[in-house]
Amino acid sequence: GEEVAQTPKHLVRGEGQKAKLYCAPIKGHSYVFWYQQVLKNEFKFLISFQNENVFDETGMPKERFSAKCLPNSPCSLEIQATKLEDSAVYFCASSPQPNEQFFGPGTRLTVL
Amino acid sequence: GQNIDQPTEMTATEGAIVQINCTYQTSGFNGLFWYQQHAGEAPTFLSYNVLDGLEEKGRFSSFLSRSKGYSYLLLKELQMKDSASYLCAVRPFNTDKLIFGTGTRLQVFP
Repeated sequence: GEEVAQTPKHLVRGEGQKAKLYCAPIKGHSYVFWYQQVLKNEFKFLISFQNENVFDETGMPKERFSAKCLPNSPCSLEIQATKLEDSAVYFCASSPQPNEQFFGPGTRLTVL
Repeated sequence: GQNIDQPTEMTATEGAIVQINCTYQTSGFNGLFWYQQHAGEAPTFLSYNVLDGLEEKGRFSSFLSRSKGYSYLLLKELQMKDSASYLCAVRPFNTDKLIFGTGTRLQVFP
């Protein structure tokens, strides 16, 4: 597609539950990025992929967060045992090369 | 360490010109980006600077000085729809990730 697609748009989870977010990058884009945006516009980089390979995972809280980009499937970001502080909007972005990143509409995760 | 500073809020009048500044300190530099984000929406790309100087694109221009760790976004002929947050983001050397500032919320009044 011509836009980055993210599902679901909203996700509500009880503390301790699992959350799984999906991202379909723009067709032909080989780079995928995940960012977490909490209040006051603070964007935090989580992880990036080049095709199905992890490129940079320096932002990932490794104990509970995991991500994959498998061939012919949407990319996914999974949070095991969610905590209240995981409440945020999670943005996926894709790019054809490491320059301009095109952002998806985001998934708003609310942990109660 | 990584540090990107920009003003939290700015106001301006329709038809006016506004300049949003951004200063950065990052481990290496490989490009600076400006994004616009309306409330509840995804950021949209505005500009990219990797060399010193001014890049003009319609009503929006972006300037970069690498030696000063400084950039600004210039918005001319402001319209009400320009009310949004403007995010400055830097790509450090040897990585593809973006380090974002906290954003500047611009309000345009009639």
